[in-house]
Amino acid sequence: GAGVSQSPRYKVAKRGQDVALRCDPISGHVSLFWYQQALGQGPEFLTYFQNEAQLDKSGLPSDRFFAERPEGSVSTLKIQRTQQEDSAVYLCASSLGTAVGSYNEQFFGPGTRLTVL
Amino acid sequence: GNSVTQMEGPVTLSEEAFLTINCTYTATGYPSLFWYVQYPGEGLQLLLKATKADDKGSNKGFEATYRKETTSFHLEKGSVQVSDSAVYFCALVNPNTGNQFYFGTGTSLTVIP
Repeated sequence: GAGVSQSPRYKVAKRGQDVALRCDPISGHVSLFWYQQALGQGPEFLTYFQNEAQLDKSGLPSDRFFAERPEGSVSTLKIQRTQQEDSAVYLCASSLGTAVGSYNEQFFGPGTRLTVL
Repeated sequence: GNSVTQMEGPVTLSEEAFLTINCTYTATGYPSLFWYVQYPGEGLQLLLKATKADDKGSNKGFEATYRKETTSFHLEKGSVQVSDSAVYFCALVNPNTGNQFYFGTGTSLTVIP
């Protein structure tokens, strides 16, 4: 079975451009997470979906960041008017489901490396 | 809040040396604890996990024990190999406050022959 896939794997953008990063979770996984990993750092949480509902977006660093998962499967992370500080690896993870007080293993995709010039 | 603090790197060891990478955490309640590994050019891979106090996670010769009294989850391996060269991340999930991971900053390990 396929794992979590992300595209593109690498993206170079000029400052001010908009970018869209795609995540295909494992089939049947209800929960989907986005993380940002700056160079030399650990991943940091951005946002979380359960099916199509965005239940937590507390980690999004600014209103230039927007994520959606309209049909509860594929998700897109969009960054508007990119800045140099947005350069990072963007990781997607999916899990079977969540309920408060329980844990389901998260599976990570390979990431998209975004470089803003 | 939830956070993870892990030993700063980089760490360089000779093959067959003993490895310890320290990790401590802050969390309310009973988080689950993890070690992830990132090999050069690859994505994050789960190395081992422990979901309750005193549990020991183990995989590929690596071990870590969930110590609630010291809020620690130190990673150990008795004899490292060149192929263990990678970046290691300690992480926690606290189901009582959400299901996102909180990662440490990572520790780079290089094993030389």
